[in-house]
Amino acid sequence: DAGVIQSPRHEVTEMGQEVTLRCKLISGHNSLFWYRQTMMRGLELLIYFNNNVPIDDSGMPEDRFSAKMPNASFSTLKIQPSEPRDSAVYFCASSGRNYGYTFGSGTRLTVV
Amino acid sequence: GESVGLHLPTLSVQEGDNSIINCAYSNSASDYFIWYKQESGKGPQFIIDIRSNMDKGQGQRVTVLLNKTVKHLSLQIAATQPGDSAVYFCAEKEPSNTGKLIFGQGTTLQVKP
Repeated sequence: DAGVIQSPRHEVTEMGQEVTLRCKLISGHNSLFWYRQTMMRGLELLIYFNNNVPIDDSGMPEDRFSAKMPNASFSTLKIQPSEPRDSAVYFCASSGRNYGYTFGSGTRLTVV
Repeated sequence: GESVGLHLPTLSVQEGDNSIINCAYSNSASDYFIWYKQESGKGPQFIIDIRSNMDKGQGQRVTVLLNKTVKHLSLQIAATQPGDSAVYFCAEKEPSNTGKLIFGQGTTLQVKP
């Protein structure tokens, strides 16, 4: 099992550009969670899906952020337009029936 | 005043000693708890979990204790090694069927050789 796979590992972009982060879940897991981690705010839950359906997006900071889960194994988090304050490490995690999360290695986003 | 960043509690221990990391959780109805370890540049990694109908769980060199009366969770690491240096997070599962976990702010463990 390759675990949760995120891409890219690092992303540097200019303010105003669109950024798309990708996540591949562990096979058989049915819940997907996007987190953002910063020094200021720690680990924040942005949105999570259960069986491909968004359950709670109250953590999504603004309309500039959107997330999709087009199938049971893949999700994207998009920021458009990006701003310097979006710079953070973004993690996705997937979960199966036992509720334990498995995290990906994260995408470090830098918006300049 | 305005926060300038999270001030994570730090625990500094000597290699070979036992470490105890504590966590207070918020919801008395939470029914599942997990400890995660996060090393620099990596995602959080599962260490050990415990359900609310238990008060103790054990793994390899790690023990989790749950005190529901005071809503307190602890992680004990025996014979701490330099490789244990990391940030440790506790997490509680909301009492629902969706599996949403709420994470604490974390504790930094520093192991001195």
